[in-house]
Amino acid sequence: GESVGLHLPTLSVQEGDNSIINCAYSNSASDYFIWYKQESGKGPQFIIDIRSNMDKRQGQRVTVLLNKTVKHLSLQIAATQPGDSAVYFCAENYSGSRLTFGEGTQLTVNP
Amino acid sequence: GAGVSQSPSNKVTEKGKDVELRCDPISGHTALYWYRQSLGQGLEFLIYFQGNSAPDKSGLPSDRFSAERTGGSVSTLTIQRTQQEDSAVYLCASSLAGRPGTGELFFGEGSRLTVL
Repeated sequence: GESVGLHLPTLSVQEGDNSIINCAYSNSASDYFIWYKQESGKGPQFIIDIRSNMDKRQGQRVTVLLNKTVKHLSLQIAATQPGDSAVYFCAENYSGSRLTFGEGTQLTVNP
Repeated sequence: GAGVSQSPSNKVTEKGKDVELRCDPISGHTALYWYRQSLGQGLEFLIYFQGNSAPDKSGLPSDRFSAERTGGSVSTLTIQRTQQEDSAVYLCASSLAGRPGTGELFFGEGSRLTVL
């Protein structure tokens, strides 16, 4: 669910390492999930989505894992690059038009 | 340009004034969303337009907020009698028709509102 606060969770990794960003979602009825990347001063950018009838989906250098039992979503980024530094948001949808976003995780890639 | 365009990019106003924020969606996208993002936080849903259907206004925080979409294209978000807590980045997104809230949303770069 959403949390209140000014301090985002942070993850710091070395360039070339794999990154795993985790997200706990709030609604057990949600059947659609999406990851967005937001660079400073820009709008969010779609990364990958997954429906609840799947538990894993792969894209280019990214993999999303869904565990409906514990309402957990993760984004894995392979061979992380400096350009991957951004805030990453997970979002869920179960009906209607509302896509509910999580609080975000700040990923910092150290060269 | 081919992306979602928002204006103004920055707006500073005094408490009590009205503001209008504009969004130009991607041509051909029938779905349009407004979100609000406060400093260091996630995105808060405000309103959704889809074609000629009645908009989903369930996220608007108060009756000071309203939005319209003319001709199924450009949208304007209006905040009346602004308050300091309205200070945030207002993001607009558009997408192709489909199940609302799913599929790739294309976001603009946002309008940063500061209420003094």
